[in-house]
Amino acid sequence: EVQLVESGGGLVQPGGSLRLSCAASGFSFSTYSMNWVRQAPGKGLEWVSDISGSSSTIDYADSVKGRFTISRDNAKNSLYLQMNSLRDEDTAVYYCARDSPLQPNRYWGQGTLVTVSS
Amino acid sequence: DIQMTQSPSSLSASVGDRVTITCRASQGISIYLAWYQQKPGKVPKLLIYAASTLQSGVPSRFSGSGSGTDFTLTISSLQPEDVATYYCQKYNSAPQTFGQGTKVEIK
Repeated sequence: EVQLVESGGGLVQPGGSLRLSCAASGFSFSTYSMNWVRQAPGKGLEWVSDISGSSSTIDYADSVKGRFTISRDNAKNSLYLQMNSLRDEDTAVYYCARDSPLQPNRYWGQGTLVTVSS
Repeated sequence: DIQMTQSPSSLSASVGDRVTITCRASQGISIYLAWYQQKPGKVPKLLIYAASTLQSGVPSRFSGSGSGTDFTLTISSLQPEDVATYYCQKYNSAPQTFGQGTKVEIK
């Protein structure tokens, strides 16, 4: 059974940093690209970043470029999102999702809430 | 970047009605279009990918069509459990932009 479990969310002040993790199980992690998608309270879905299985291809939304860094450790079946210079507008539930050209975002984690507030 | 525009932003229909949601891409994306359903407080669920391929386990009353820039999600007979917000998403290349969502309610 495919499982994705996010962790690392919490309350952080503007300008602060946070590192999210996503623990994957039930599939061959290294063979799949992974996405981070976020959803601000009461708002729609926003794609944040993706990373290929080998980490050779990485992309970011313009809204987070230069502040967020996606990475993965295939030996640990884990995906990460390092978030620096956080802003109020980064407040959201952050989901990790397994990507595939055949079945995009077929599996999602339960999400982790990041609140940026003073 | 390619923009994804959904319409309407919300709709109210009766049980049994046929419901259609449209998604327009600002540039052609072939058939790299997915539809998701998100019920209140829940994680998004993949309904359709490759514009018209129904994800396993999704009821057959859901269907998708289109290619290039214009896409449609149709619910052939709306059921109470279909109350949700529906999102389209392009996935041919980054950024994998979502539409703004369509909230479906029962009249």
